[in-house]
Amino acid sequence: QVQLQESGPGLVKASETLSLTCTVSGYSITSGYYWGWVRQTPGKGLEWIGSVDHNGNTYYNPSLKSRVTISLDTSKNQFSLKVISVTAADTAVYYCARDGGHWEIDYWGQGTLVTVSS
Amino acid sequence: DVVMTQSPLSLPVTLGQPASISCRSSQSLVNSDGNTYLHWFQQRPGQSPRRLIYKVSNRDSGVPDRFSGSGSGTDFTLRISRVEAEDVGVYYCMQGTHGPGTFGQGTKVEIK
Repeated sequence: QVQLQESGPGLVKASETLSLTCTVSGYSITSGYYWGWVRQTPGKGLEWIGSVDHNGNTYYNPSLKSRVTISLDTSKNQFSLKVISVTAADTAVYYCARDGGHWEIDYWGQGTLVTVSS
Repeated sequence: DVVMTQSPLSLPVTLGQPASISCRSSQSLVNSDGNTYLHWFQQRPGQSPRRLIYKVSNRDSGVPDRFSGSGSGTDFTLRISRVEAEDVGVYYCMQGTHGPGTFGQGTKVEIK
């Protein structure tokens, strides 16, 4: 059974960097699929942030591309998200997810709330 | 980006009665490979989204057969044949044909 679990600080100061890690169990991230991040806010709903494929190629939402980096850590079967220069608008529940391509997202993490404080 | 518009945004239903959610896209979701990448997700209160339907009408493993998806082009529908208490939550459509993938606003299903 594939499982994903997000981890990272729940509070980040404005203008600093948000960093989250997703640990995957039950499947090797180098075997296939895309590994991505989705965030959810009351105002904007669900928003796809970006993803990385099993070869390390990255794909980002143009609206966030200038501030986002997603990468693999194959030794730990993890992938990570970094968002620089955060503002209050980046306060959200962040989900990691497995995507079979064309956003066929079949597994989600439980989500983690990140609050940006001023 | 492709805009996904769901209606209604709130759907009170009686237990055992059918329910239907509409999702419309701002452009056709037919991909050059012939597939239509329109998916449906359910988010129960306090939980992560869970995929119910992929590529318009393919039900995921473990999803009750009272859930069905249909549609083509720009108009799609999720139907629940007989609503049960466990179906309460928010339902989202998502398109994956045109990058970036985009979600609808969500339809909240509640029991009358």
